[in-house]
Order: sequence, then structure tokens, then C-alpha cells
Amino acid sequence: DGGITQSPKYLFRKEGQNVTLSCEQNLNHDAMYWYRQDPGQGLRLIYYSQIVNDFQKGDIAEGYSVSREKKESFPLTVTSAQKNPTAFYLCASGAPDRIKGYTFGSGTRLTVV
Amino acid sequence: QKEVEQNSGPLSVPEGAIASLNCTYSDRVSQSFFWYRQYSGKSPELIMSIYSNGDKEDGRFTAQLNKASQYVSLLIRDSQPSDSATYLCAVPGDNFNKFYFGSGTKLNVKP
Repeated sequence: DGGITQSPKYLFRKEGQNVTLSCEQNLNHDAMYWYRQDPGQGLRLIYYSQIVNDFQKGDIAEGYSVSREKKESFPLTVTSAQKNPTAFYLCASGAPDRIKGYTFGSGTRLTVV
Repeated sequence: QKEVEQNSGPLSVPEGAIASLNCTYSDRVSQSFFWYRQYSGKSPELIMSIYSNGDKEDGRFTAQLNKASQYVSLLIRDSQPSDSATYLCAVPGDNFNKFYFGSGTKLNVKP
């Protein structure tokens, strides 16, 4: 079955640590996205990629980094420069138009300990 | 950046009633609009999209769009407890390169 797989489901980070969140899709989508969701808030765009080997900053890119070496994969690294990383991270992919939206992965909940 | 505004709720309705969820947006040139449902602790799932003024129906769901008023709504008829979730309104950016999301309205359907 086609879909988007995010791992791990839960992740704990110590202060000063870098951690990487995985996102893999087998939907053959060119575009992939990372969003962050804080409690009671909407989704805020971190990074997005329209094609392999290219990506753009979203609205809250500071403290995060990404790579897009393969069409299927778009990992997100939360660096130690991100001072408040505790949140729910959502990866999405799609070929959106005025009818179709994104397909989301199941999310990774990151907690700083 | 497009602004998408939603009442955070919670909106409480009895089972079987009509739930009405509203969304306003700042950009007059926005052409299409999306409603997502998000259960607690889960990822959003697309319910409906609408791009023409007026109503669009899909089962118990009706999306209503008024571009002149920059207003889009979602009606849920015969509300069920399983409809209890947060509903997110989303507006695409130029060329659909990204989406802007509202903060969501939490709906509680009471048995």
C-alpha cells in the first residue's frame, strides 16, 4: 500500500543534542513538506522540497535542517540551535491542486528531556 | 503570508445536530480552500476541498465558499460522536507550493 511513513513515533532529546526525524513515501510524489504543530495551534511550515536535491525554507526554518537526496526520503534534523523543539512534527507529500491536498504521515512527537 | 483565522472553540453540539465551522482568510486572490479533520494525537486527513462560490456537498459534509466575504465554512449534518475532532482550514500558497493552516476548531459531539 502506498503511503508516508514517519519514524520514530516518539522521540526524546536531551539539551544540546541533534536529532533526525525520518520521512519516507512510496507515493511517487515530487513534493514533500515538514510542518510543526504546537498544542492548540495550527501547522507551521518548516521546510519543503519540490524536487530532489532542492528545498526551500518555510516560515520557521531556524534551528532545523533537511536534505532531499532521494525522491522517497526527506529527513528533518532538529539541531541544538532550536531552543524550543518540543512539538508534534508532521511530514506530508503531494501533488496538490485545487482539489487534492496533501497526504500526511502519522507524525513524530518530540520531547526535550 | 496568508492569514487563516478560525475560532478555536470548543464547539459543542448534541448528537444529530448540525455543526457549523467557520474560517476566514486574508488573501483575496485565494482560489481554493481545504478542510482537514484531526483526531487527538493523530495526523490531519483531508475531508473536502472547494474552489467555486457556493456549496459543495459530500455525504454529511457541506463546504460553503463566499469569496467576496473571504469566508469558507464546513457544515456537518447529523453530527456523530465520531465527528469529535479538530477541524483545520487550509489555504494554498501561490502555485500550490505550500499550504497555510488555521489553528483549528475543536468540535465536541455529545451523545
